[in-house]
Amino acid sequence: GENVEQHPSTLSVQEGDSAVIKCTYSDSASNYFPWYKQELGKRPQLIIDIRSNVGEKKDQRIAVTLNKTAKHFSLHITETQPEDSAVYFCAASKGGSYIPTFGRGTSLIVHP
Amino acid sequence: DVKVTQSSRYLVKRTGEKVFLECVQDMDHENMFWYRQDPGLGLRLIYFSYDVKMKEKGDIPEGYSVSREKKERFSLILESASTNQTSMYLCASSSAGGKQPQHFGDGTRLSIL
Repeated sequence: GENVEQHPSTLSVQEGDSAVIKCTYSDSASNYFPWYKQELGKRPQLIIDIRSNVGEKKDQRIAVTLNKTAKHFSLHITETQPEDSAVYFCAASKGGSYIPTFGRGTSLIVHP
Repeated sequence: DVKVTQSSRYLVKRTGEKVFLECVQDMDHENMFWYRQDPGLGLRLIYFSYDVKMKEKGDIPEGYSVSREKKERFSLILESASTNQTSMYLCASSSAGGKQPQHFGDGTRLSIL
Protein backbone atom coordinates (compact mmCIF):
# COMPACT_ATOMS: atom_id res chain seq x y z
CA GLY A 1 0.00 0.00 0.00
CA GLU A 2 0.86 3.67 -0.08
CA ASN A 3 3.38 5.05 2.38
CA VAL A 4 3.73 8.78 3.06
CA GLU A 5 6.73 10.15 4.94
CA GLN A 6 6.62 13.72 6.24
CA HIS A 7 9.55 15.85 7.43
CA PRO A 8 10.38 17.54 9.66
CA SER A 9 8.23 16.51 12.60
CA THR A 10 8.82 19.90 14.24
CA LEU A 11 9.73 23.19 12.60
CA SER A 12 10.46 26.38 14.49
CA VAL A 13 10.80 29.70 12.61
CA GLN A 14 10.81 33.40 13.31
CA GLU A 15 7.90 35.51 12.20
CA GLY A 16 8.44 36.65 8.62
CA ASP A 17 10.62 33.67 7.69
CA SER A 18 9.59 31.02 5.17
CA ALA A 19 8.70 27.47 6.17
CA VAL A 20 8.93 24.35 4.03
CA ILE A 21 7.44 20.95 4.85
CA LYS A 22 8.24 17.97 2.65
CA CYS A 23 6.43 14.71 1.99
CA THR A 24 7.42 11.69 -0.05
CA TYR A 25 5.08 8.98 -1.25
CA SER A 26 5.70 5.46 -2.48
CA ASP A 27 2.90 4.69 -4.95
CA SER A 28 3.52 6.25 -8.37
CA ALA A 29 -0.23 5.94 -9.11
CA SER A 30 -1.05 8.55 -6.45
CA ASN A 31 -2.49 11.63 -8.10
CA TYR A 32 -4.14 13.77 -5.43
CA PHE A 33 -2.21 15.52 -2.66
CA PRO A 34 -4.07 17.62 -0.07
CA TRP A 35 -2.59 19.53 2.85
CA TYR A 36 -4.45 20.04 6.11
CA LYS A 37 -3.84 22.49 8.94
CA GLN A 38 -4.85 21.62 12.47
CA GLU A 39 -4.71 24.40 15.04
CA LEU A 40 -4.53 23.44 18.68
CA GLY A 41 -7.83 21.95 19.84
CA LYS A 42 -9.44 22.32 16.43
CA ARG A 43 -10.33 20.14 13.49
CA PRO A 44 -7.96 19.53 10.56
CA GLN A 45 -8.94 21.78 7.66
CA LEU A 46 -7.90 21.67 4.02
CA ILE A 47 -5.64 24.58 3.14
CA ILE A 48 -4.48 23.63 -0.34
CA ASP A 49 -4.41 20.61 -2.63
CA ILE A 50 -2.74 19.68 -5.88
CA ARG A 51 -3.51 17.17 -8.57
CA SER A 52 -0.88 15.34 -10.50
CA ASN A 53 -1.46 17.17 -13.75
CA VAL A 54 0.13 20.34 -12.34
CA GLY A 55 3.52 20.99 -10.78
CA GLU A 56 2.74 23.95 -8.56
CA LYS A 57 -0.23 25.71 -7.04
CA LYS A 58 -0.30 28.95 -5.04
CA ASP A 59 -2.83 30.59 -2.78
CA GLN A 60 -1.61 33.86 -1.29
CA ARG A 61 1.22 32.98 1.13
CA ILE A 62 1.03 29.23 0.69
CA ALA A 63 2.13 27.11 -2.23
CA VAL A 64 2.51 23.43 -2.95
CA THR A 65 4.96 21.90 -5.41
CA LEU A 66 4.82 18.39 -6.81
CA ASN A 67 7.65 16.38 -8.33
CA LYS A 68 6.09 13.21 -9.76
CA THR A 69 9.38 11.78 -10.93
CA ALA A 70 10.91 11.96 -7.47
CA LYS A 71 7.56 11.23 -5.80
CA HIS A 72 7.64 14.12 -3.41
CA PHE A 73 5.59 17.22 -2.74
CA SER A 74 6.18 20.19 -0.49
CA LEU A 75 4.24 22.91 1.30
CA HIS A 76 5.78 26.38 1.27
CA ILE A 77 4.61 29.15 3.58
CA THR A 78 6.10 32.59 3.04
CA GLU A 79 6.11 35.54 5.46
CA THR A 80 5.04 33.33 8.32
CA GLN A 81 2.82 34.76 11.04
CA PRO A 82 2.10 33.50 14.58
CA GLU A 83 -1.34 32.36 13.43
CA ASP A 84 0.38 29.92 11.08
CA SER A 85 1.43 27.95 14.17
CA ALA A 86 -0.31 24.57 13.89
CA VAL A 87 0.18 20.94 12.93
CA TYR A 88 0.26 20.40 9.18
CA PHE A 89 -0.59 17.05 7.57
CA CYS A 90 0.12 15.98 4.03
CA ALA A 91 -1.79 13.17 2.33
CA ALA A 92 -1.79 11.19 -0.91
CA SER A 93 -4.46 9.20 -2.70
CA LYS A 94 -4.73 7.57 -6.10
CA GLY A 95 -7.05 6.89 -8.96
CA GLY A 96 -10.64 6.53 -7.91
CA SER A 97 -9.72 5.87 -4.31
CA TYR A 98 -11.20 8.26 -1.78
CA ILE A 99 -9.01 6.97 1.03
CA PRO A 100 -5.95 9.14 1.63
CA THR A 101 -2.76 8.04 3.31
CA PHE A 102 -1.60 10.70 5.75
CA GLY A 103 1.85 11.74 6.83
CA ARG A 104 2.50 11.88 10.57
CA GLY A 105 2.30 15.65 10.74
CA THR A 106 4.62 18.63 11.24
CA SER A 107 4.28 20.92 14.21
CA LEU A 108 5.08 24.43 12.96
CA ILE A 109 5.89 27.04 15.58
CA VAL A 110 6.18 30.66 14.51
CA HIS A 111 7.89 32.86 17.09
CA PRO A 112 6.83 36.54 17.18
CA ASP B 1 -20.11 24.95 4.05
CA VAL B 2 -19.81 21.32 5.07
CA LYS B 3 -20.55 20.58 8.67
CA VAL B 4 -19.43 17.40 10.38
CA THR B 5 -20.71 17.16 13.92
CA GLN B 6 -19.46 14.78 16.57
CA SER B 7 -21.77 14.18 19.48
CA SER B 8 -19.27 14.85 22.29
CA ARG B 9 -16.07 16.88 22.62
CA TYR B 10 -15.02 15.10 25.81
CA LEU B 11 -16.05 11.70 27.12
CA VAL B 12 -14.92 9.72 30.14
CA LYS B 13 -15.78 6.03 30.40
CA ARG B 14 -14.67 3.02 32.41
CA THR B 15 -12.90 -0.09 31.19
CA GLY B 16 -15.27 -2.74 29.92
CA GLU B 17 -18.01 -0.30 29.03
CA LYS B 18 -19.55 -0.24 25.57
CA VAL B 19 -18.94 3.22 24.12
CA PHE B 20 -20.72 4.91 21.24
CA LEU B 21 -19.27 7.86 19.32
CA GLU B 22 -21.66 9.52 16.90
CA CYS B 23 -20.95 11.57 13.79
CA VAL B 24 -23.37 13.40 11.52
CA GLN B 25 -22.63 15.25 8.27
CA ASP B 26 -24.98 17.58 6.45
CA MET B 27 -23.59 17.56 2.89
CA ASP B 28 -24.99 14.29 1.58
CA HIS B 29 -21.48 12.83 1.36
CA GLU B 30 -21.19 9.19 0.39
CA ASN B 31 -17.96 8.51 2.26
CA MET B 32 -17.44 8.66 6.00
CA PHE B 33 -14.40 7.83 8.09
CA TRP B 34 -13.29 7.32 11.67
CA TYR B 35 -9.71 8.15 12.64
CA ARG B 36 -7.76 7.93 15.81
CA GLN B 37 -5.19 10.68 16.48
CA ASP B 38 -2.31 10.10 18.90
CA PRO B 39 0.80 12.29 19.36
CA GLY B 40 3.55 11.37 16.92
CA LEU B 41 1.38 8.82 15.10
CA GLY B 42 -0.70 11.15 12.95
CA LEU B 43 -4.14 10.08 11.77
CA ARG B 44 -4.80 6.37 11.73
CA LEU B 45 -7.84 5.03 9.94
CA ILE B 46 -10.09 2.78 12.01
CA TYR B 47 -13.05 2.17 9.68
CA PHE B 48 -14.65 3.77 6.69
CA SER B 49 -17.94 3.54 4.84
CA TYR B 50 -18.71 4.37 1.22
CA ASP B 51 -22.45 3.82 1.40
CA VAL B 52 -25.29 3.12 3.78
CA LYS B 53 -24.82 -0.21 5.56
CA MET B 54 -21.41 -0.65 3.92
CA LYS B 55 -18.25 -0.64 5.98
CA GLU B 56 -14.61 -1.48 5.46
CA LYS B 57 -11.78 -1.99 7.93
CA GLY B 58 -9.01 0.54 8.04
CA ASP B 59 -5.54 0.13 9.47
CA ILE B 60 -6.45 -0.37 13.16
CA PRO B 61 -9.96 -1.89 13.41
CA GLU B 62 -9.29 -4.20 16.37
CA GLY B 63 -11.55 -3.48 19.31
CA TYR B 64 -13.88 -1.26 17.26
CA SER B 65 -16.98 -1.67 15.15
CA VAL B 66 -19.11 0.79 13.18
CA SER B 67 -22.65 1.31 12.06
CA ARG B 68 -24.09 3.29 9.18
CA GLU B 69 -27.85 2.96 9.04
CA LYS B 70 -28.41 6.37 7.45
CA LYS B 71 -26.31 8.23 4.93
CA GLU B 72 -25.66 11.19 7.19
CA ARG B 73 -24.71 9.25 10.33
CA PHE B 74 -21.68 7.10 11.09
CA SER B 75 -21.21 5.59 14.54
CA LEU B 76 -18.05 4.19 16.09
CA ILE B 77 -18.50 1.55 18.77
CA LEU B 78 -15.96 0.41 21.31
CA GLU B 79 -17.31 -3.00 22.22
CA SER B 80 -15.47 -3.27 25.55
CA ALA B 81 -13.43 -0.16 26.25
CA SER B 82 -9.83 -0.53 27.35
CA THR B 83 -7.33 2.04 28.62
CA ASN B 84 -5.28 1.81 25.40
CA GLN B 85 -8.27 3.24 23.55
CA THR B 86 -7.85 6.56 25.33
CA SER B 87 -7.32 8.93 22.43
CA MET B 88 -8.70 11.69 20.21
CA TYR B 89 -11.24 10.36 17.70
CA LEU B 90 -11.93 12.26 14.50
CA CYS B 91 -14.79 11.70 12.11
CA ALA B 92 -14.55 12.84 8.48
CA SER B 93 -16.65 12.79 5.33
CA SER B 94 -16.02 13.27 1.63
CA SER B 95 -17.98 13.15 -1.58
CA ALA B 96 -17.85 10.20 -3.95
CA GLY B 97 -14.98 9.60 -6.33
CA GLY B 98 -11.30 10.31 -6.00
CA LYS B 99 -9.48 13.61 -5.64
CA GLN B 100 -11.87 14.95 -3.06
CA PRO B 101 -10.81 16.50 0.25
CA GLN B 102 -12.04 15.26 3.58
CA HIS B 103 -14.07 17.37 5.97
CA PHE B 104 -13.44 16.72 9.63
CA GLY B 105 -15.43 17.04 12.81
CA ASP B 106 -14.05 18.74 15.93
CA GLY B 107 -13.06 15.43 17.48
CA THR B 108 -13.97 13.55 20.65
CA ARG B 109 -11.37 13.33 23.40
CA LEU B 110 -12.10 9.95 24.94
CA SER B 111 -10.61 8.88 28.26
CA ILE B 112 -10.99 5.32 29.48
CA LEU B 113 -10.35 4.93 33.20
